This record gives sequence, C-alpha cells and structure tokens, in this order.
Amino acid sequence: DVKVTQSSRYLVKRTGEKVFLECVQDMDHENMFWYRQDPGLGLRLIYFSYDVKMKEKGDIPEGYSVSREKKERFSLILESASTNQTSMYLCASSFPRAGTEAFFGQGTRLTVV
Amino acid sequence: AQKVTQAQTEISVVEKEDVTLDCVYETRDTTYYLFWYKQPPSGELVFLIRRNSFDEQNEISGRYSWNFQKSTSSFNFTITASQVVDSAVYFCALSERSGGGADGLTFGKGTHLIIQP
Repeated sequence: DVKVTQSSRYLVKRTGEKVFLECVQDMDHENMFWYRQDPGLGLRLIYFSYDVKMKEKGDIPEGYSVSREKKERFSLILESASTNQTSMYLCASSFPRAGTEAFFGQGTRLTVV
Repeated sequence: AQKVTQAQTEISVVEKEDVTLDCVYETRDTTYYLFWYKQPPSGELVFLIRRNSFDEQNEISGRYSWNFQKSTSSFNFTITASQVVDSAVYFCALSERSGGGADGLTFGKGTHLIIQP
C-alpha cells in the first residue's frame, strides 16, 4: 500500500512558537505538496517541491516555509505560529507527470492558542 | 487562472436515494485533468477518478458514475443507491498540463454529503 505519513494527527501550539509539520512518503515520488484546509475554503496550496532542495510557493505561502532535504521527506515550518494558522494541514505526493493523481496523508489538525 | 466551483456546500439524502454532486471548472488550457476525491471523517483524501480533457467518455464504477461535458465545463459525480458509508466530503479538482503535474491541484470547496439511514 502506498503511504503518505504525517507525523501528528493533532497538535496544540502557543502563539509565537516555531512549529514543524513533518511528512514522509514511501512511493519515491518527486513531487510533494502542503495544503491547508479550512471550512468553506476547500484546500489551498501553501508550498510544493518537485525535487530535493527545490521549492515553489503556492497560493498562500505567507507565514510558512518548507524544507526538503531528502526525497521522501517534506517539512512545513511555521516560523512564528499565529492563531489564524489554526487549520487542517494536508501533505500530498505524486509523480511529476501531468495529470497524475496525488496521494494524501491523513492530515494534521493544528490549533494555535 | 484555473478555478473549480462546487456550488453545493452540503447535501443530505436518505439512504438508497441517488445523488449528484456538481462540479464546474474554468481553465484556459486545452489539455487539463479533472479529479474527484473523497474525504471520509478520518481525514485522508482518497482518489476516486481522473479524466483528461480529450476523453469525454462517461465512466461507471459500481454505484459511482461520472459525467464529463466540455461544452458546459462540468464534471459531475453521481452515486446511485447511496449508502451511509458514502457520507463524506467530496472534492473536485483540476490540474493543467502546462504545470507538468508539479504545481498541484486546484480544488473546489467541497460538498459535504450526508446519507441518512
């Protein structure tokens, strides 16, 4: 079974903390993505990576950064967490061919207090 | 810019009824791909189907069927004889060829489907 694994299902952090969300995939996919899901807004792309050490901004990158040191791992970093970053975060991976489906992790529900 | 609209925020039906989830998309590319994903309460998005812009053939998989119409820019999803296990949030998504698959999917806002026993 293909797998995208996010390190935490639930996280509670304080305002101003630096937060790391980790994602690992075992499918040897080149592409990895971080999405944010909010009620009424659907999924919005934060950042994506098409190769090790490569990254591109998505639609809502402000307040976030990413790291991809190894092909299988893609980390989302909240440099200084704020309450408006309370959300569900979804990691995904895919092959680089156009039209290929993405595989998703189970999501991390982050609450910033 | 690409856009996906799912006008139905929430649909509630009684088990065994048929239900159709609407999806309308916008794109300037002539080559593009459409997807449906299911998100059960557990949270993980599950891939259901992919269609490319050159294949307008409708598809049926068990109780699920998809109707792709380029003339109306729609890619609707029908569940026949719905079951409680179909309860989930369903997302329609679009990917353009020009992105080479590396720039992610554009999602609609999702339709929350509730199947009542």
